[in-house]
Amino acid sequence: AQSVSQHNHHVILSEAASLELGCNYSYGGTVNLFWYVQYPGQHLQLLLKYFSGDPLVKGIKGFEAEFIKSKFSFNLRKPSVQWSDTAEYFCAVNANTGRRALTFGSGTRLQVQP
Amino acid sequence: DAGITQSPRHKVTETGTPVTLRCHQTENHRYMYWYRQDPGHGLRLIHYSYGVKDTDKGEVSDGYSVSRSKTEDFLLTLESATSSQTSVYFCAISESRLAGTDTQYFGPGTRLTVL
Repeated sequence: AQSVSQHNHHVILSEAASLELGCNYSYGGTVNLFWYVQYPGQHLQLLLKYFSGDPLVKGIKGFEAEFIKSKFSFNLRKPSVQWSDTAEYFCAVNANTGRRALTFGSGTRLQVQP
Repeated sequence: DAGITQSPRHKVTETGTPVTLRCHQTENHRYMYWYRQDPGHGLRLIHYSYGVKDTDKGEVSDGYSVSRSKTEDFLLTLESATSSQTSVYFCAISESRLAGTDTQYFGPGTRLTVL
């Protein structure tokens, strides 16, 4: 069974600091990769996704992620965070086997201090 | 945002009572999903549907049943609620005919408390 690990459970940054959130998955075949964000009290929103092609994916709100197949990783980055980026971030994987369910990581809570 | 609504948005119930949560979509998407979100676990799939009357179990399906009689509605039923089912429940939808390009969009969630 596939699994997703997000090793940073809680990250605290100051505004303008750079962000990198780790995501590793355990599946050797073709995968689809996603990052979702959940702002306080809201539902999950799609930040970005990777299906194929350029391993550097750009999403909304200045976020990007890099797929490194050899490391089974899909880390999320942002060069300069804002207070409004305070949220919980979830990495998710679909193994592209025909079964469409997503496997989620446990989430990383990001707190940006003004 | 995708046209997904969930009802009720909040519910408090007692152990042993039946509970039904509703997910309604206006996107005419074929695939619908129920997840539960618990601290430290992210989201976990309960059941999903790949068409009217076509459903399948997810990783945490025990104690839950689902029904889909219309494309737009996907119901999640807790036959006899237990305290371990206290959680936030999210519905999701997706459409792509190819699993390799499928993207799920989430509803606003239902917070369920079982006393």
